[in-house]
Amino acid sequence: NAGVTQTPKFRVLKTGQSMTLLCAQDMNHEYMYWYRQDPGMGLRLIHYSVGEGTTAKGEVPDGYNVSRLKKQNFLLGLESAAPSQTSVYFCASSYRTPLQTGEQFFGPGTRLTVL
Amino acid sequence: SQQGEEDPQALSIQEGENATMNCSYKTSINNLQWYRQNSGRGLVHLILIRSNEREKHSGRLRVTLDTSKKSSSLLITASRAADTASYFCATVTGGTSYGKLTFGQGTILTVHP
Repeated sequence: NAGVTQTPKFRVLKTGQSMTLLCAQDMNHEYMYWYRQDPGMGLRLIHYSVGEGTTAKGEVPDGYNVSRLKKQNFLLGLESAAPSQTSVYFCASSYRTPLQTGEQFFGPGTRLTVL
Repeated sequence: SQQGEEDPQALSIQEGENATMNCSYKTSINNLQWYRQNSGRGLVHLILIRSNEREKHSGRLRVTLDTSKKSSSLLITASRAADTASYFCATVTGGTSYGKLTFGQGTILTVHP
């Protein structure tokens, strides 16, 4: 039982390049989330999904797109990377929603640097 | 502005001492959760307290919630070097059907052996 896994662990991009971050969970969770963590800012929600085929915007969605084609996978895409997107990205999943007191399970993170 | 703000930003104690971290928030909440993050790792859920609860225990952890003061505290008793980590409170508010989970900026706890 691997829990939540993220690929890649590290990546360096040049401004304007694109990339996709992959998140996979093997807990059959309905809900999945993408966060970014910046120094002194805590975690901020980028996008989330309430089930296969659904996505919704979070607090800081600009510059990112997501897809949830399979229940176990949640992809985060950067179409044209900018230095402001340098951050650590965390994926999380949960069995219940936050309002249903669902705890979130986090992946190990992807450290992205945009030059 | 952040929904959850934590105090202190950093805490340094000796092994065996108790550690207390505080979280204040601005709007009414449905529940409040505490997470731990070891350096370079993802967050791990520690404990959840509902808005109609005042205190919860889990092992060496004690969480209190005062909705009148819009604040919560996390107490770690008899701390160990392995407790060294960042601790985040996360408040859950309504507004959408799934709820909104908002993290504070965290408290960095260092426990010296």
